[in-house]
This record gives sequence, C-alpha cells and structure tokens, in this order.
Amino acid sequence: EVQLVESGGTLVQPGGSLRLSCVASGFTLSPYAIHWVRQAPGKGLECVSTISNKGGATYYADSVKDRFTISRDDSENTVYLQMGSLRDEDMGVYYCARGVAVTTYFDHWGQGTLVTVSS
Amino acid sequence: QSVLTQPPSVSGAPGQTVTISCTGSSSNIGANYAVHWYQHIPGTAPKLLIYGDTNRPSGVPARFSGSKSGTSASLAITGLQAEDEADYYCHSYDNSLSGPVVFGGGTKLTVL
Repeated sequence: EVQLVESGGTLVQPGGSLRLSCVASGFTLSPYAIHWVRQAPGKGLECVSTISNKGGATYYADSVKDRFTISRDDSENTVYLQMGSLRDEDMGVYYCARGVAVTTYFDHWGQGTLVTVSS
Repeated sequence: QSVLTQPPSVSGAPGQTVTISCTGSSSNIGANYAVHWYQHIPGTAPKLLIYGDTNRPSGVPARFSGSKSGTSASLAITGLQAEDEADYYCHSYDNSLSGPVVFGGGTKLTVL
C-alpha cells in the first residue's frame, strides 16, 4: 500500500526553525516528484515547495522563498522541508503529496503534520 | 487571491446535482494545461477525484465528473450524498509563475 507519513510538526516560536519529514512506503520514492502543501487555519491549500525526481529541480512559493529548503534522500525514502525564520502565517497543517512529475496531479497524500507558530 | 477562482461555497440536497467551477486564464487552463480536482475533508488527507480534466482514478464513483472549456473547468457531482460534504480544490499549472502548482481557493460543498 502506498503511504506518505509526515512528521516533525510542533509548536515553535516566531523566528524559529523546524524540519519536517515525509517518509514514503509501499513504493520506491526516486521516480516521483514530491510536493509540500500547507493549509493555514481557515484557508485553502497552498503548495509551498516542490522537488523533482532525483532532486534536479526545486520550487518555492514566494511566501517561503529564501526561508524554506526542500531536499530528498531516496536511499531513506524520505523528503525533508527545512523551515526557517518562521512567521505566524506559516502556521498550519503541512501535507506531502506524490506526483509522477512536477507538473502533474498528486495521486497520494499524507495525513499531514501540524505546525504551530506562537510565542 | 488564488490564480484559479472557485466559488467559496455551493450546496444541494441529497440526490441533486451540483457543479463547481474553476476559472483561470490564458497562462493556465486557457493554455490547455490539465486540470485536476481533489476532495478534502478537514483533518484527513486530500483525495484525488479527477485528473487530466476528465479522468477518474480507480475507486472514485462515476457520480464525479470533470470537464474543461476555454479558460474554465468544472467538477460535477450527481446524485449528491451526505458523505460528499467536503472542500473541493482544482489544481493546474501556470506558465507565468515560478512554481509548477496552482490551486483554486477551494469550494465548500454543503449537503442540505
């Protein structure tokens, strides 16, 4: 069974850092692009970052550019999202999702991990 | 302000048909990039409903269908059921942006 499991979400102070992990199981991660999608409280879905298969290309939403870094370790079937200089508006549930390519649909999603930014 | 525009809410009684629109522009839907649809029940993982404008993944009921014309796409749900109450999002690609993913703002479907 294809599964994506996010972890690492927690309470962090404004200005702090956090690393989220997305562990894939039931399939080999390497051929797939992975996206991090967040939902702020009361808001819709926003794709904050994307990494292509083999990590050749990365993309960031303007709202997180220069603060977040996406990476992948295919040997560990894991994708990471390093989040820095966290702001109130970064708070929300973060999902990872799988795509055949960076421009195609997301066929599997994780259950999400909650990031709370508060002093 | 989302690049793809959806109505904030729609509603319908059980058994009825509802349609959710997703309006874009010449740099996304109008450029013939594929549109995909997701169902999201808060607290759960979003679920792929329609991909490539009109295709249903295995396991998605035929009550769900997608269409596209010009700069807009639509998701139709026929024979509405209580379990269809959820948020629905469209997704496409935009060639004027730095990233490969654009979502609509989401539509809350209420089953009366």
